[in-house]
Amino acid sequence: AQKITQTQPGMFVQEKEAVTLDCTYDTSDQSYGLFWYKQPSSGEMIFLIYQGSYDEQNATEGRYSLNFQKARKSANLVISASQLGDSAMYFCATSGSARQLTFGSGTQLTVLP
Amino acid sequence: DAGVIQSPRHEVTEMGQEVTLRCKPISGHNSLFWYRQTMMRGLELLIYFNNNVPIDDSGMPEDRFSAKMPNASFSTLKIQPSEPRDSAVYFCASSYGTLNEQFFGPGTRLTVL
Repeated sequence: AQKITQTQPGMFVQEKEAVTLDCTYDTSDQSYGLFWYKQPSSGEMIFLIYQGSYDEQNATEGRYSLNFQKARKSANLVISASQLGDSAMYFCATSGSARQLTFGSGTQLTVLP
Repeated sequence: DAGVIQSPRHEVTEMGQEVTLRCKPISGHNSLFWYRQTMMRGLELLIYFNNNVPIDDSGMPEDRFSAKMPNASFSTLKIQPSEPRDSAVYFCASSYGTLNEQFFGPGTRLTVL
């Protein structure tokens, strides 16, 4: 069984600042993936970034980076230079041998002008 | 390239009626997933298919729910009879291969009165 924990129900960040969204996971699979999705108020689920459990380098996609600490079972999302359009709900998820995604409860990020 | 397509985008129906949700995955993807999102339970997997074959339907709430994937480009999720507690946003997602990112459709917002 897999479990994702996001302990920050809500976060605020000033525009142009960096912000870290926390995610810890629990899985019994040896090989697994970690994902972050963004859900704006319009409701769609937007894939942001992926990290494989065997990847030694932290994943980066533009302003998004994933701070992967395997020993701590954490996969925090770092957003650099926050923009107003980054205001949304952010979900961390994991998949393993069962393939389906297990999602956390999400973090609502608000970027302040 | 077109993303995952879902229809209808919104559905309002009365308790006891049959509801059919439709999904067209991204061409070339061989895995398809149906999720449900509610405030109380968050995002939860209902069922997923690999190469058109249902692999895990343990998330289907009860016998009122059924899903089919007659070919690689089409899937349906049917609820019969519908109940008010089925009101939620239903997402379809597709991916290629194991541990790869899943791409979500825009979702169907279902309201059962």
